[in-house]
Amino acid sequence: QVQLVQSGTEVKKPGASLNVSCKASGYTFTSYGISWVRQAPGQGLEWMGWISAYNGNTNYAQKLQGRVTMTTDTSTSTAYMELRSLRSDDTAVYYCARDGAVAGKAFDYWGQGTLVTVSS
Amino acid sequence: EIVLTQSPGTLSLSPGERATLSCRASQSVSSSYLAWYQQKPGQAPRLLIYDASGRATGIPDRFSGSGSGTDFTLTISRLEPEDFAVYYCHQYGSSPWTFGQGTKVEIK
Repeated sequence: QVQLVQSGTEVKKPGASLNVSCKASGYTFTSYGISWVRQAPGQGLEWMGWISAYNGNTNYAQKLQGRVTMTTDTSTSTAYMELRSLRSDDTAVYYCARDGAVAGKAFDYWGQGTLVTVSS
Repeated sequence: EIVLTQSPGTLSLSPGERATLSCRASQSVSSSYLAWYQQKPGQAPRLLIYDASGRATGIPDRFSGSGSGTDFTLTISRLEPEDFAVYYCHQYGSSPWTFGQGTKVEIK
């Protein structure tokens, strides 16, 4: 069965960097992409960006350009999201979700979420 | 960027009633690439509907999606107790992908 398993809870100080991993299993990793979505406390869903596990192409939300980097390791079927220069408003649950390899598709599988708290 | 506006913000209904949720896009959604998700507290979203009207695997047939262009609807024909949750629409036809702000379906 398809699974996306994310790394655990993080507590960070403002200005620090965050790294979240998302390990995929149960499907051919390089036939899809991964999108990252975050949800601030009590708020809605915000799309952060996408990476193709097929060719490594990326597409980031404009508001995060310059602070976010998404990568994949096809040897371990793992996607990574790095967010730098953290601020208090980056406090959120971060999700990875299976997306298309080239074009967009509905997110049919999601990780369990990673709670990130940014506080001094 | 395509802005998705969901209405109403909150829908108060009783089990057994019909729920109709709306998602309106600021521009036409390419190829009807619109999805609906259900989210319960403390859980990841769950895909219900893809490509505006396709039902995802394992989703009961009381859930249906319709629409095209800029106007989309999610209908729950008869609410079950487990259907009370927040519902989001999502367009993936034009970058950046975007989500609506959500509609909460609560027990009346």
